[in-house]
Amino acid sequence: AQSVTQLDSQVPVFEEAPVELRCNYSSSVSVYLFWYVQYPNQGLQLLLKYLSGSTLVKGINGFEAEFNKSQTSFHLRKPSVHISDTAEYFCAVTLNDMRFGAGTRLTVKP
Amino acid sequence: NAGVTQTPKFRILKIGQSMTLQCTQDMNHNYMYWYRQDPGMGLKLIYYSVGAGITDKGEVPNGYNVSRSTTEDFPLRLELAAPSQTSVYFCASSYRDKGGYGYTFGSGTRLTVV
Repeated sequence: AQSVTQLDSQVPVFEEAPVELRCNYSSSVSVYLFWYVQYPNQGLQLLLKYLSGSTLVKGINGFEAEFNKSQTSFHLRKPSVHISDTAEYFCAVTLNDMRFGAGTRLTVKP
Repeated sequence: NAGVTQTPKFRILKIGQSMTLQCTQDMNHNYMYWYRQDPGMGLKLIYYSVGAGITDKGEVPNGYNVSRSTTEDFPLRLELAAPSQTSVYFCASSYRDKGGYGYTFGSGTRLTVV
């Protein structure tokens, strides 16, 4: 069965600094990969997804992620974060249904 | 606005009570899902449905029941509420299987069982 591991539960960073949120997955077959963002007291919003093709995927709000099949990773990056990026971020993988990681809380400090 | 609507947003239940969490979507999505979110645990799939009349268990189905009589609605029922069911519940829908088009999530129902 597929599973997802988010390697950092919390990531504090200063405004305008770069950030990387790490995600590893395990699956014996090809899967789809996603990053979602959850702002306080809201549902999840899709940031970006990898289905096939180019391994570098660009999403909303300036985020991007790179699919690395050999390392079974799908890390999320942003070159310069804003205060408004403070939220919880979830990596997810689908085969028959969607499985989520435990989440990474990104806190952007002024 | 099109999307997934969940009601109620908040609810406090006493142990042993029952309730139904409502979920409706107006995007004509075939697939619908119920997740629960607990701190530090991510989202766990409770039940899902691939179309009207068809439902199946997810990772954590015990203590819950679902039905899917229409494409639009996918209610989640708690028969005998327990403190372990205190959580935030999210309903989601998708057009196709495997989430290739991504899931659309509702805004959640925060349930407390006391």
